[in-house]
Amino acid sequence: AQSVTQPDIHITVSEGASLELRCNYSYGATPYLFWYVQSPGQGLQLLLKYFSGDTLVQGIKGFEAEFKRSQSSFNLRKPSVHWSDAAEYFCAVGAREYGNKLVFGAGTILRVKS
Amino acid sequence: DAMVIQNPRYQVTQFGKPVTLSCSQTLNHNVMYWYQQKSSQAPKLLFHYYDKDFNNEADTPDNFQSRRPNTSFCFLDIRSPGLGDAAMYLCATSRGDIPSSYEQYFGPGTRLTVT
Repeated sequence: AQSVTQPDIHITVSEGASLELRCNYSYGATPYLFWYVQSPGQGLQLLLKYFSGDTLVQGIKGFEAEFKRSQSSFNLRKPSVHWSDAAEYFCAVGAREYGNKLVFGAGTILRVKS
Repeated sequence: DAMVIQNPRYQVTQFGKPVTLSCSQTLNHNVMYWYQQKSSQAPKLLFHYYDKDFNNEADTPDNFQSRRPNTSFCFLDIRSPGLGDAAMYLCATSRGDIPSSYEQYFGPGTRLTVT
């Protein structure tokens, strides 16, 4: 069965430090990859997406992610975290064989300490 | 600005009392989705409409129904809410063609409390 794994449930980083959130997926073909962010009590906001082409994609709020086919990974990075980045981050995958549906990872809660 | 709007943002209902949540969109997207999200969990897809075609997830309880009277509006009806239905309900939209259909735009959600 398809799966999306975010191995870190919680991550705490200091403000100004770099950040990497991990995401692995299990699909045979190249999937369509997304990162969403959710602030408390809010809906999900799309940070970035990968469909094809350059494997390093830039998103909003200074985030980037890199698709590594050999590792089935799509990790999210930010060089310098701001206190306002504290939120929950979801990796999501779409694949043609599953129709219109997105499959979400369990999420990673980011805490930022000053 | 084009957007997905959900009303109300907070809804309190009594155990067993029917409740309706609403979603509207100005994006003119073909597809509208309803998700249930419980605390610290990923969103769980309940069903979606592709235009007027309704697609129910196999594990969505019969207690949950949906209506889409036109392109812009979609409703989630919970016929007899139980305590376990307390959650955040998220509406999302997307275009209908793959891969654009995976790029979903979410509303702010409705927090449902069941007393």
